[in-house]
Parts: sequence; structure tokens; C-alpha cells
Amino acid sequence: SQQGEEDPQALSIQEGENATMNCSYKTSINNLQWYRQNSGRGLVHLILIRSNEREKHSGRLRVTLDTSKKSSSLLITASRAADTASYFCATDGGGSYIPTFGRGTSLIVHP
Amino acid sequence: GAGVSQTPSNKVTEKGKYVELRCDPISGHTALYWYRQSLGQGPEFLIYFQGTGAADDSGLPNDRFFAVRPEGSVSTLKIQRTERGDSAVYLCASSLISGNEQYFGPGTRLTVT
Repeated sequence: SQQGEEDPQALSIQEGENATMNCSYKTSINNLQWYRQNSGRGLVHLILIRSNEREKHSGRLRVTLDTSKKSSSLLITASRAADTASYFCATDGGGSYIPTFGRGTSLIVHP
Repeated sequence: GAGVSQTPSNKVTEKGKYVELRCDPISGHTALYWYRQSLGQGPEFLIYFQGTGAADDSGLPNDRFFAVRPEGSVSTLKIQRTERGDSAVYLCASSLISGNEQYFGPGTRLTVT
């Protein structure tokens, strides 16, 4: 079963625009992570946010976490064509540190 | 240092055959995870090792699947009597300790004909 679910399933934007992806989950978590995947192979870790944190930044990435709503968002500012990829959230919790992934958001950034 | 490596990168096998997939984690990483991913889906958890022991194998779909990590480093995922439904990309990840960010290998694409 998949804990986190990303929304939207697909997102198409122009270069320079911001991209926002959301993740909702069902049970309490320890950590929430965002990953990027190009061409269906290995995933690249982007940001880990812990349950007691509300916001984290890394370069053009901003992640927020709202534990009361059981949701997180990933914002990519000033998008580039190279940001085209699938983005996944992964949550762990309930006594387990095994991240469970959603189905991902497919982002296409048009040059 | 080197990242997580997986071999082979592609494996084509006939239905009913036995396959082994290998994962070399980042040196010093105690936690190792196996996932499989089908087209259009997120990675699906299979098994997690902390050191040499399988701390959680609840994701293994049936007893045809088995994994080992005898020295707490390299891990091998073994699939007996392969079925066409086993076709997927098998991903390995390691982390310094459980609960930290995971570093993924490039995956092994398994095709069962």
C-alpha cells in the first residue's frame, strides 16, 4: 500500500514559472522526503523534513509540512527544462523508518 | 566516494528461471533497502536490512523472493521460478542509519519472457 499520494499526477509548465506539487498522507509520520526521478531509473534525494519541522529550503526548492492537515508541498521556483522529471514523496512513521512512496507527479517544463 | 551500484543494469530471463540481483551500498551505510518499481508507479518496498539482518521483509510478495546481506555491506536479491509479473525495475537504496535520507542505485531492469 502507498501512504503518500502526490497531486497533481501531471504538471506541464513553461520555463521560468514556479511548480507546486502536493503530497497527502494518512497516518502520523516521523519524516517526509521528496525525491526526483529521471527516465524511470534511480531516484535522487531532494529534501528530508522531519515531523517537528514546518519548512525547509534547498536552492530553488522549498518544502512545507503541515502535520495537522497531513500534507506537504514541494515548490520549485524559476523552473528549468532540466527540472523535467517525476517527483515522489515518501513518508515513514508508525514506528517504522521504512519510507513508503506515492505514485509521483510527472513534471514537464517546456523551454 | 562512489554511490550505490547495482548489477546487472538489465536482465532478461525466461519464465521459471532463477535470478540474482546485486546491490553495493555506499561504504559505511548500515541500512539497505530493496524496492521494485513498475511503470507509472512509485517504488514499492520489498525488504530492509539493518546491518546483516533483515529488519523488515514484509514487502516480499511471496516465498520466491529472498534477500541476503551476509557481511552487512553487499546485498543480493534472489528470485526463484521467475514469473512474467516479476518484470520491473528493482531499486536498491542505502542510508547511513535508518530514518536518514536514502541514496538510490540506478536499478536493475528485470524482464521475464
